[in-house]
Amino acid sequence: SQQGEEDPQALSIQEGENATMNCSYKTSINNLQWYRQNSGRGLVHLILIRSNEREKHSGRLRVTLDTSKKSSSLLITASRAADTASYFCATDAYAAGNKLTFGGGTRVLVKP
Amino acid sequence: DVKVTQSSRYLVKRTGEKVFLECVQDMDHENMFWYRQDPGLGLRLIYFSYDVKMKEKGDIPEGYSVSREKKERFSLILESASTNQTSMYLCASSLVGAPGLAGGIYNEQFFGPGTRLTVL
Repeated sequence: SQQGEEDPQALSIQEGENATMNCSYKTSINNLQWYRQNSGRGLVHLILIRSNEREKHSGRLRVTLDTSKKSSSLLITASRAADTASYFCATDAYAAGNKLTFGGGTRVLVKP
Repeated sequence: DVKVTQSSRYLVKRTGEKVFLECVQDMDHENMFWYRQDPGLGLRLIYFSYDVKMKEKGDIPEGYSVSREKKERFSLILESASTNQTSMYLCASSLVGAPGLAGGIYNEQFFGPGTRLTVL
């Protein structure tokens, strides 16, 4: 079963706008990671946030984690056409034997 | 940079054939993984390995086996390919953290480009 569920499933925005996507999960986690996948390619790691962290930044990316609500959000600011991709959250949970469990992903289209 | 390579980008096989998917990483990572990716289902873990000759079942191991004879190479084997194994297969590796160890913390996983397998 999927541990992480992304919302929305798809998102279409204009270049320069911000893109926000959310991830909900079911069991306690050790950390949560976000990955990007360009069409037909492998996944690329974006950012990792540990369970004792609430917010993390990396360039134009901002990730928040609310363990009480079992949810995380990924914000991409000032989006660019090159940000067009699918974004996946992945949880690392003790209950899952520390294996990463991926959600279904959010498809983001940034229109120029 | 870490590089994870997969033997084929596209592969077409017939039902009943034995299929080998090869994955090689060049950064001396202990952990290696095989996932399949299907629309709407995200990535599902088939098998993983945290050391040479060690393997652990993932969430969907049925119909698959793996081999890890050398640290850098992790092979996925479809013993008798079926049409429901048509999918994108992704290999990944990570540096540390054997699964299940108390306090184990996963590092990021590095992915190969994927193999799109079609079974006719």
